[in-house]
Amino acid sequence: KNEVEQSPQNLTAQEGEFITINCSYSVGISALHWLQQHPGGGIVSLFMLSSGKKKHGRLIATINIQEKHSSLHITASHPRDSAVYICAVGGGGSEKLVFGKGTKLTVNP
Amino acid sequence: GAVVSQHPSWVICKSGTSVKIECRSLDFQATTMFWYRQFPKQSLMLMATSNEGSKATYEQGVEKDKFLINHASLTLSTLTVTSAHPEDSSFYICSARDWQLHYNSPLHFGNGTRLTVT
Repeated sequence: KNEVEQSPQNLTAQEGEFITINCSYSVGISALHWLQQHPGGGIVSLFMLSSGKKKHGRLIATINIQEKHSSLHITASHPRDSAVYICAVGGGGSEKLVFGKGTKLTVNP
Repeated sequence: GAVVSQHPSWVICKSGTSVKIECRSLDFQATTMFWYRQFPKQSLMLMATSNEGSKATYEQGVEKDKFLINHASLTLSTLTVTSAHPEDSSFYICSARDWQLHYNSPLHFGNGTRLTVT
């Protein structure tokens, strides 16, 4: 069993829909990262959080440390949101990140 | 925002040759850089942690003599794939952290290098 599990693996939505991507982890962490990987491969860090909730534009990330679970929400989705979203956990005494396999999101116009 | 430049973005080389990939932090200093490999439809896998002025720390199963890492300055780390073979074909990407921030600060990623070995 992977230390970081994401669901769903693939997600197709219509423009304007509310999107939720989930991440569960089994290791001790001090921070969880949400990353966005574009089709060309480049990666952008969206959020780093260790508790509660963060919001940036149409993106919202939440984390429940007790349940070892995080969600990434996208409101009013747009085709430009189409990308692979990756959850990664780190800390617990180590700088290294452990990555989920990613969720491929396709938003159709 | 912080930018990490990775070069080249893609490279095709013949089996047996060596390829060098550069990772530069453009507007911050990075005592630590990370090198990852990603096979198609797989997650990122950490290969090694590059430390400025000292030897890199390699993950289990990664051959340090095959994947040479040099972190000679606070803004540059290089990964050299030596005697490349077709099975080394993959997407290689680096990340860096601003040394002035806590170790759990956000990572900044390069745009990656797609290596194809023929």
